[in-house]
Amino acid sequence: EPEVTQTPSHQVTQMGQEVILRCVPISNHLYFYWYRQILGQKVEFLVSFYNNEISEKSEIFDDQFSVERPDGSNFTLKIRSTKLEDSAMYFCASPAGGFRNEQFFGPGTRLTVL
Amino acid sequence: QKEVEQDPGPLSVPEGAIVSLNCTYSNSAFQYFMWYRQYSRKGPELLMYTYSSGNKEDGRFTAQVDKSSKYISLFIRDSQPSDSATYLCAMSVMNRDDKIIFGKGTRLHILP
Repeated sequence: EPEVTQTPSHQVTQMGQEVILRCVPISNHLYFYWYRQILGQKVEFLVSFYNNEISEKSEIFDDQFSVERPDGSNFTLKIRSTKLEDSAMYFCASPAGGFRNEQFFGPGTRLTVL
Repeated sequence: QKEVEQDPGPLSVPEGAIVSLNCTYSNSAFQYFMWYRQYSRKGPELLMYTYSSGNKEDGRFTAQVDKSSKYISLFIRDSQPSDSATYLCAMSVMNRDDKIIFGKGTRLHILP
């Protein structure tokens, strides 16, 4: 199965601090996605990114969030000023082939905001 | 009405039994239907991917889609203790964004 990697696996931060979550998607694909899952809740779409710009974003993805592709292989999600309610698992996803809906997920970063 | 509804369980079945997992949805525009398996505090793992209505089989897993009823199913034959996990149904619309909408997941326990 194609592999998506994410770092760190666990991030603990203080409320109000900035965090950057990193993802290395499946290579040679232009579409990237971020999702999050609050403990005990469903996986929710945050943002899709295509050709170096945001394609769609959800209501959750407010001005505190941003995404970047700083180089050819990494894809980052930044939360500028974390809130307690940002505590969740954050997943990066990437299609492997021609079907963008066939998305493979990374192992996730568990973000804990204190 | 929620966009995707899935019974959270837990569902406990004996080893070797056939498992049936189901979801209903309200958005008739959904065309792609997926099943993911998720172990505790891990990322969702794509199990099955189908387009539109019909059946798809992969080993012990069979996915069914009935668009007229807005109902999808996943069957697991000869269930094993290693199949114990949370199973997420997911679906998306064919457009430029292709975001996936998930159900809440059904926790499945296979009893040895």
